[in-house]
Amino acid sequence: GQSLEQPSEVTAVEGAIVQINCTYQTSGFYGLSWYQQHDGGAPTFLSYNALDGLEETGRFSSFLSRSDSYGYLLLQELQMKDSASYFCAVSPAPDYKLSFGAGTTVTVRA
Amino acid sequence: GAVVSQHPSWVICKSGTSVKIECRSLDFQATTMFWYRQFPKQSLMLMATSNEGSKATYEQGVEKDKFLINHASLTLSTLTVTSAHPEDSSFYICSARVPGAYSNQPQHFGDGTRLSIL
Repeated sequence: GQSLEQPSEVTAVEGAIVQINCTYQTSGFYGLSWYQQHDGGAPTFLSYNALDGLEETGRFSSFLSRSDSYGYLLLQELQMKDSASYFCAVSPAPDYKLSFGAGTTVTVRA
Repeated sequence: GAVVSQHPSWVICKSGTSVKIECRSLDFQATTMFWYRQFPKQSLMLMATSNEGSKATYEQGVEKDKFLINHASLTLSTLTVTSAHPEDSSFYICSARVPGAYSNQPQHFGDGTRLSIL
């Protein structure tokens, strides 16, 4: 099976930088994805890493170390609209199924 | 961009009722769609993989006779919660990926259906 661990909550002020860590244990590994979900809404794709290193997409970046079974999502220049839940998800097989972590609730304060 | 439409967005019905939820890919053909369930403040749990033209693949612990999935076309998958009971109340979300895309093609999620069984 798969297990993913990420912090349950993070609080930060506007303009700050937040890093959400995700460690995983999977039977197989074909990539780590990050999704954002606002309360009551649908998950939206943020970033994906299949290989080691950093992927940058605007204010959001994601990092992966396959040898450490570890990744993180970096949120820069935090805005109030970034208050949401963030999920890491692994693809344990090439069948495109996703196994999600429990999610990290990010609260941005003024 | 690719969009997945899910309908209805909200359902309230009596115990024992069967409820059908539709998931459509609007501007692409999806041979594979996924159905998730999410309880409040919890993660998304994959229920089943919906395959166009063949039987759905259910995750362990999911009753296939309870949650009927039909993927009759390349743009539509339906989930029917049969004889729903209060414990089936949850947020049901579908997703789809563009076939033939590279592995980093994200899954596109529908807006979800909030099901409340009285």
